[in-house]
Amino acid sequence: DVKVTQSSRYLVKRTGEKVFLECVQDMDHENMFWYRQDPGLGLRLIYFSYDVKMKEKGDIPEGYSVSREKKERFSLILESASTNQTSMYLCASSLLNNGRIDIYEQYFGPGTRLTVT
Amino acid sequence: AQTVTQSQPEMSVQEAETVTLSCTYDTSESDYYLFWYKQPPSRQMILVIRQEAYKQQNATENRFSVNFQKAAKSFSLKISDSQLGDAAMYFCAYVDDKIIFGKGTRLHILP
Repeated sequence: DVKVTQSSRYLVKRTGEKVFLECVQDMDHENMFWYRQDPGLGLRLIYFSYDVKMKEKGDIPEGYSVSREKKERFSLILESASTNQTSMYLCASSLLNNGRIDIYEQYFGPGTRLTVT
Repeated sequence: AQTVTQSQPEMSVQEAETVTLSCTYDTSESDYYLFWYKQPPSRQMILVIRQEAYKQQNATENRFSVNFQKAAKSFSLKISDSQLGDAAMYFCAYVDDKIIFGKGTRLHILP
């Protein structure tokens, strides 16, 4: 059974803290994605990665960085958390096809609801 | 730039009835893919249905079907025989070399 897991379902951090959100997939997928989901705004892509040590900026990368040292793991890093980064963060993975971002189904994790106070 | 619009933030339908969720998009590309994803309350998002733009035939998956109008750039989702388990947030997504999600439609099923 396909599985994408995220390290925490709920997280509360203070302003200025460094925050790590971890995502692991067990499907040997090349692509991995980080989104944030906010009411009325839908899903917005932060970063994606199509291979180990490769990363591409999405629509809203400011204030975030990512790390992909192993194929199955994709980390989202908030270098200095701010209150406007309070959100639901979704990780997803998919197969790669001829270098295209994704024409295949994305498999999503359960999400991490991050609150920055 | 490509955009995806879901004009109905919320909808309600009676159980066993049919409901249509709308999605329009804007693109100058001819080769792309469209998806509907479902996010049940407190559960993981899953794929409902997928449509390749080069295919004229509308995709169907059991009670779920799409009405794909390429010229009109419209991609609506029809749910037949609505069930309580269909209650969820539904997202339309456009993919070519980037992926863009709509803002979502929250669907309520009335028993």
